[in-house]
Amino acid sequence: AQSVTQPDIHITVSEGASLELRCNYSYGATPYLFWYVQSPGQGLQLLLKYFSGDTLVQGIKGFEAEFKRSQSSFNLRKPSVHWSDAAEYFCAVGGSGNTPLVFGKGTRLSVIA
Amino acid sequence: GAVVSQHPSRVICKSGTSVKIECRSLDFQATTMFWYRQFPKQSLMLMATSNEGSKATYEQGVEKDKFLINHASLTLSTLTVTSAHPEDSSFYICSAPLRGTSGGLSSYNEQFFGPGTRLTVL
Repeated sequence: AQSVTQPDIHITVSEGASLELRCNYSYGATPYLFWYVQSPGQGLQLLLKYFSGDTLVQGIKGFEAEFKRSQSSFNLRKPSVHWSDAAEYFCAVGGSGNTPLVFGKGTRLSVIA
Repeated sequence: GAVVSQHPSRVICKSGTSVKIECRSLDFQATTMFWYRQFPKQSLMLMATSNEGSKATYEQGVEKDKFLINHASLTLSTLTVTSAHPEDSSFYICSAPLRGTSGGLSSYNEQFFGPGTRLTVL
């Protein structure tokens, strides 16, 4: 079965500190992987995506993620967090063809001064 | 990039009424669109797959008679919540896939999401 696990429900980091949000997936075919961010009451914003090629993917807002096939992981990182990064982060997996995305349960990021 | 719009962005209705939500792909055609539902502080759950010119495919546990989906054209899918009740209050998001190419792959489909519709049933 296709699934995405985000083990951390809520993470709190200090402004300026580094961040890593974990994501593990289970997918029967070649996975296409995504990270989205959602602010309260808002829609989804795509941070980055992995389809193929370089396993280290750069996204918007200074985020990056690394695809590790052997670990079935696609962790999101940022070297220095800003207060505006506080939001809900969703990892998602999909496949080729007209297939929908499967989302993780999300990780809520809080940023403290 | 491709743009998907939703209308309305927010709707409040009385219990027992029906509400229609539109999802449009503005600059590309989509034979398939997906409808997701997101309850407060929860993740997105796929409700149904909307197919242009044919019946929608519903996920297990989603009442097809309550959530009517019509994919009338290659750029428009509608979700009608019939006889809405307070438990139907949720954030409804649609997406449409757009085929592209990347890094030698013959094709992939990237999902483009609408901004969502917040439904509140009183």
